[in-house]
Amino acid sequence: GAVVSQHPSWVICKSGTSVKIECRSLDFQATTMFWYRQFPKQSLMLMATSNEGSKATYEQGVEKDKFLINHASLTLSTLTVTSAHPEDSSFYICSASLGGDSPLHFGNGTRLTVT
Amino acid sequence: EDQVTQSPEALRLQEGESSSLNCSYTVSGLRGLFWYRQDPGKGPEFLFTLYSAGEEKEKERLKATLTKKESFLHITAPKPEDSATYLCAVRVFGNEKLTFGTGTRLTIIP
Repeated sequence: GAVVSQHPSWVICKSGTSVKIECRSLDFQATTMFWYRQFPKQSLMLMATSNEGSKATYEQGVEKDKFLINHASLTLSTLTVTSAHPEDSSFYICSASLGGDSPLHFGNGTRLTVT
Repeated sequence: EDQVTQSPEALRLQEGESSSLNCSYTVSGLRGLFWYRQDPGKGPEFLFTLYSAGEEKEKERLKATLTKKESFLHITAPKPEDSATYLCAVRVFGNEKLTFGTGTRLTIIP
């Protein structure tokens, strides 16, 4: 149980275009999902907390107009990287929890390369 | 500010050579400490949760322990398939998010 699916697993886009990444909880409902970013050989950095039916909460230094998060249902959150630039190239990973003290369960990540 | 520090950054062991990974933390109020395993190009895979000092959890060749300042992940007689990056993370009271350490990259040599 507690499977999180992320799509696509990798994407290459041109500078200036937008990219949407989907995160689904397959066998449970998640009122809260979390979006992390990971640079090579570095740890996971939280970008934002996605709340179903309300606005996302962004961490300090993360541009909310650049990284648009939508959590329209209890099983789906999306991250849209708008006007992507090469410095946005990274590994984006979503996660969700069953709530309470349960751990976060992670998707398999999306490797974004902006050329 | 909550801080999580892991050491060593990288560790190479011979197959069967036991060792320990360290996770030191400074937080306002620990709600839980989590260990994950991450393979290259994949998302983290949950291993253990520890909630209070003195608690221990085991799974196959892995054993996690917790004190008031740090946690250890002991690996006994490791096999090559145990090679991965091991991450620890903390959750504090009043917040569901996890704050991660930088990880230990473990390589087991056959």
